[in-house]
Amino acid sequence: AQKITQTQPGMFVQEKEAVTLDCTYDTSDPSYGLFWYKQPSSGEMIFLIYQGSYDQQNATEGRYSLNFQKARKSANLVISASQLGDSAMYFCAMRGNKAAGNKLTFGGGTRVLVKP
Amino acid sequence: DTAVSQTPKYLVTQMGNDKSIKCEQNLGHDTMYWYKQDSKKFLKIMFSYNNKELIINETVPNRFSPKSPDKAHLNLHINSLELGDSAVYFCASSPDSLYGYTFGSGTRLTVV
Repeated sequence: AQKITQTQPGMFVQEKEAVTLDCTYDTSDPSYGLFWYKQPSSGEMIFLIYQGSYDQQNATEGRYSLNFQKARKSANLVISASQLGDSAMYFCAMRGNKAAGNKLTFGGGTRVLVKP
Repeated sequence: DTAVSQTPKYLVTQMGNDKSIKCEQNLGHDTMYWYKQDSKKFLKIMFSYNNKELIINETVPNRFSPKSPDKAHLNLHINSLELGDSAVYFCASSPDSLYGYTFGSGTRLTVV
């Protein structure tokens, strides 16, 4: 069974500073995908970044980067130069293969509040 | 052009009523899903359909019945609504590859 753990229920970050959101996962599948989503107070799920289990390099998307450590089964999200608009819930998720129904398994989320 | 659209966005109804939430995707994806987000923000899959075939049914009460008339549509019908059904329901779609998972904007269901 797949499992995602986000150990930080909430955190404050100063505007313009970087913040790291922790995510560890557990799976026996050799092929999987890891996602981070942002959910602002308006409620929609916004895709941020994706890392495939076979990708050699860490994924980056603008101010978002994913620190992928496969041996430690961790996929931490780094947000650089935080902005007030980054205040939101952040979810780490893992996708299994087609045999597992392609479903996403989510962590419990981390609430980030950016202080001016 | 909204990729995954679900309606309505808000739904307030009384206990015991029957309601439906509709979802449509224009991405050409083969698989569609329903997820439920509870009051503690935890997200969990309910159903998935691949080309109109039910693939995942995650211990959801029989009062919840998904219907997929074609691979671009997945609707969720809920009978005899209960207070505990209050949640946000998200529709999503994906291709078979590991990458590419798109969510709708969610339907906030409130049962009073």
